Amino acid sequence: GQNIDQPTEMTATEGAIVQINCTYQTSGFNGLFWYQQHAGEAPTFLSYNVLDGLEEKGRFSSFLSRSKGYSYLLLKELQMKDSASYLCAVRDRADSSYKLIFGSGTRLLVRP
Amino acid sequence: DTAVSQTPKYLVTQMGNDKSIKCEQNLGHDTMYWYKQDSKKFLKIMFSYNNKELIINETVPNRFSPKSPDKAHLNLHINSLELGDSAVYFCASSQQHGTEAFFGQGTRLTVV
Repeated sequence: GQNIDQPTEMTATEGAIVQINCTYQTSGFNGLFWYQQHAGEAPTFLSYNVLDGLEEKGRFSSFLSRSKGYSYLLLKELQMKDSASYLCAVRDRADSSYKLIFGSGTRLLVRP
Repeated sequence: DTAVSQTPKYLVTQMGNDKSIKCEQNLGHDTMYWYKQDSKKFLKIMFSYNNKELIINETVPNRFSPKSPDKAHLNLHINSLELGDSAVYFCASSQQHGTEAFFGQGTRLTVV
């Protein structure tokens, strides 16, 4: 089966660092995406990992361990505007097609 | 320029009605999707089209019928609307199947 788990909510302080974890179980893993979604808006792409290791992009970094079925999104120097939901999505290969399977998202609240 | 645009943004309708949501992308992508996001913010794929051909058809009631007149458009028609259809419906597109998806602004459907 397919399963993606993320914490439901997290709270952090402006200027701090926060790590949002994602664990997954899929039969045809072919990459992992992180998306950011502000309330009432569309999800927007943050990062993509297909190989093990850390991908850094400005204040955001994403890590993947395929053997452990685990990823995390690291947000540094938190800003108030980072308050949003963060969605982990696995690219799963089934037959001859791919699809993105989303977790339920982690709602991050950044406090002053 | 809006990359992925869907209309309408809000749709309130009575049970039993038939309604359509339109989606257009100007990114030149080959693949388009419809996702449903329920009240728990869980984003779930419904359909995927690649070059006007249906690739993914998840377990969705046959009251939902997608139509792709060309690869830049993917519309969603819903017959005999039910209360449980209330959700936000997102259209998305990607360069190739299963790659980074760009989302439209969403259509908030409320069935009363």
